[in-house]
Amino acid sequence: AQRVTQPEKLLSVFKGAPVELKCNYSYSGSPELFWYVQYSRQRLQLLLRHISRESIKGFTADLNKGETSFHLKKPFAQEEDSAMYYCALGEYNFNKFYFGSGTKLNVKP
Amino acid sequence: DAGVTQSPTHLIKTRGQQVTLRCSPISGHKSVSWYQQVLGQGPQFIFQYYEKEERGRGNFPDRFSARQFPNYSSELNVNALLLGDSALYLCASSLGSRDQPQHFGDGTRLSIL
Repeated sequence: AQRVTQPEKLLSVFKGAPVELKCNYSYSGSPELFWYVQYSRQRLQLLLRHISRESIKGFTADLNKGETSFHLKKPFAQEEDSAMYYCALGEYNFNKFYFGSGTKLNVKP
Repeated sequence: DAGVTQSPTHLIKTRGQQVTLRCSPISGHKSVSWYQQVLGQGPQFIFQYYEKEERGRGNFPDRFSARQFPNYSSELNVNALLLGDSALYLCASSLGSRDQPQHFGDGTRLSIL
């Protein structure tokens, strides 16, 4: 069963516009949720995790257990935000880890 | 620290052969996970090892196996290679607890002819 769903393969916005990358999950326990980012020609790296409730590079993500969502948001997109973004879920005992299929964010000048 | 290192970077094999991929974790990290990433998809979890023991396994056939050594490095073995095994194989290391982030290597690109 698909644990993590990212419905958009590609999201294009203009610089300065708000951006929201959607992530929905399916898990009956208490999930650990993460956003990973991969910039061009770089390694996959952690952007943020729900447990720390932090804002990284202006991005935030709130866990909504009712809607089983963990959408990534930024109020004003920058060109350097263009990258591939993956939502990921870790199971309770961290025995397994699931990634979504990713959303490519393209921020146009 | 060089981060997670994987070898080789690229590999070409033919159907039916066997392959071994290697991963060295970040110093101090005791957990290593392996992922398969097919073009256009997100990474798919194959294995997680912690303190040299398998702690988790994804939905992959028994042709896939792995092990972790006392120095926490790891090997992923794939037997009887199929065309569909062509992918980028990623290794990630972490401290091991569920809320800890994983740090990824650059991956090994495996092509099956």
